[in-house]
Amino acid sequence: ELKVEQNPLFLSMQEGKNYTIYCNYSTTSDRLYWYRQDPGKSLESLFVLLSNGAVKQEGRLMASLDTKARLSTLHITAAVHDLSATYFCAVDIIGSRLTFGEGTQLTVNP
Amino acid sequence: DTGVSQDPRHKITKRGQNVTFRCDPISEHNRLYWYRQTLGQGPEFLTYFQNEAQLEKSRLLSDRFSAERPKGSFSTLEIQRTEQGDSAMYLCASSLGERGEKLFFGSGTQLSVL
Repeated sequence: ELKVEQNPLFLSMQEGKNYTIYCNYSTTSDRLYWYRQDPGKSLESLFVLLSNGAVKQEGRLMASLDTKARLSTLHITAAVHDLSATYFCAVDIIGSRLTFGEGTQLTVNP
Repeated sequence: DTGVSQDPRHKITKRGQNVTFRCDPISEHNRLYWYRQTLGQGPEFLTYFQNEAQLEKSRLLSDRFSAERPKGSFSTLEIQRTEQGDSAMYLCASSLGERGEKLFFGSGTQLSVL
């Protein structure tokens, strides 16, 4: 059974600081997704990573994928309050369903 | 608004009652998914459709749950004889159906079973 683990589960950081969220998964896959969820809202797609070594950046967020290590990272650069949300990684191994991690609840403090 | 829409946004029901939720996907999307999310957890896959065909169902989907997608357009998810453990956010998502393509999620239906 595929397991997707994120750490940390809770992250409180100051504005302007950098940090990395880690996503480990237990079964070989070359397709990994990052989503953002604001409280009471639905999920917003951030990145789709489709191959080993893939790196994508959007604003202050950068995601990467290492399929050999079964690891993806979401790096936050110079955090701002607007980035406060819960971030989920999800893995696709079958081509029909995503298995999500528990989520990382990020709070950016002034 | 051309995103995925779900109705109702909130549903409160008594244990033992039946409930039905509706999802309207993005119009050109072939695939439609149902997920369930409880507080503090990531979404869990329930089932998905390719056009009108239901191609996969999770073990989470007991025989009290049924989903349909007539004519490959909107979908309904029905829960019969609701239990308190069914309380969750039910999320619908759609995609064009190409593997590796992102899913677009609706705002969800929050179900509370009293």
